[in-house]
Amino acid sequence: QITLKESGPALVKHTQTLTLTCTFSGFSLNTDGEGVGWIRQPPGKALEWLALVYWNDDKRYTPSLKSRLTITKDTSKNQVVLTVTNMDSEDTATYYCAAYYGSSGYRRVADYWGQGTLVTVSS
Amino acid sequence: EIVLTQSPATLSASPGERATLFCRASQSINSNLAWYQHRPGQPPRLLLSAASKRATGTPARFSGSGSGTEFTLTITSLQSEDFAVYYCQQYHYWPPEDTFGQGTKLDMK
Repeated sequence: QITLKESGPALVKHTQTLTLTCTFSGFSLNTDGEGVGWIRQPPGKALEWLALVYWNDDKRYTPSLKSRLTITKDTSKNQVVLTVTNMDSEDTATYYCAAYYGSSGYRRVADYWGQGTLVTVSS
Repeated sequence: EIVLTQSPATLSASPGERATLFCRASQSINSNLAWYQHRPGQPPRLLLSAASKRATGTPARFSGSGSGTEFTLTITSLQSEDFAVYYCQQYHYWPPEDTFGQGTKLDMK
């Protein structure tokens, strides 16, 4: 059974750096085709894909936020970490981590999702 | 950036009815489209990928069609648990520039 859980601060201040951790189980992120990504949803708005890291440490970012995002994996801890620098009110959102799993190669759809964590940016 | 436009924004239907949701891409994405269901208080759930391939556990009443720029998600015989927000996602380019539509809310009439 694949599960994911996000953890991190619920509140960050304007210009601070946000660090979120995704702890997963049921897969290793060491096998061809496996990936973990981050997707966010501002209140009342649509989903936005942010970043992905694959089993081979290939990392991908959404172009509009690439300069502010860093994704890393620690397979010994079954964790993936996302950092977002220079947080602004527009970054207030529920942040989800998701597993890209179920086929070889670079899976591009999120098969399993965590429950999400709401992050609010204060001024 | 590929923009996905979903219609209608809200669809009202009754249990047992058929619902058809649309997703239009601003340029051709072949069949590189997924559909997700998002119920309140729950994370999104993958329904379909490659425009028409049901994910594990997706009931047969959900079907997808289309290619290029026009896509459809059809739900036959709506069940109470189907009333949710539905999002389409394109994954056409490599390196990824994945985007989601703004969603269609399916609510109970």
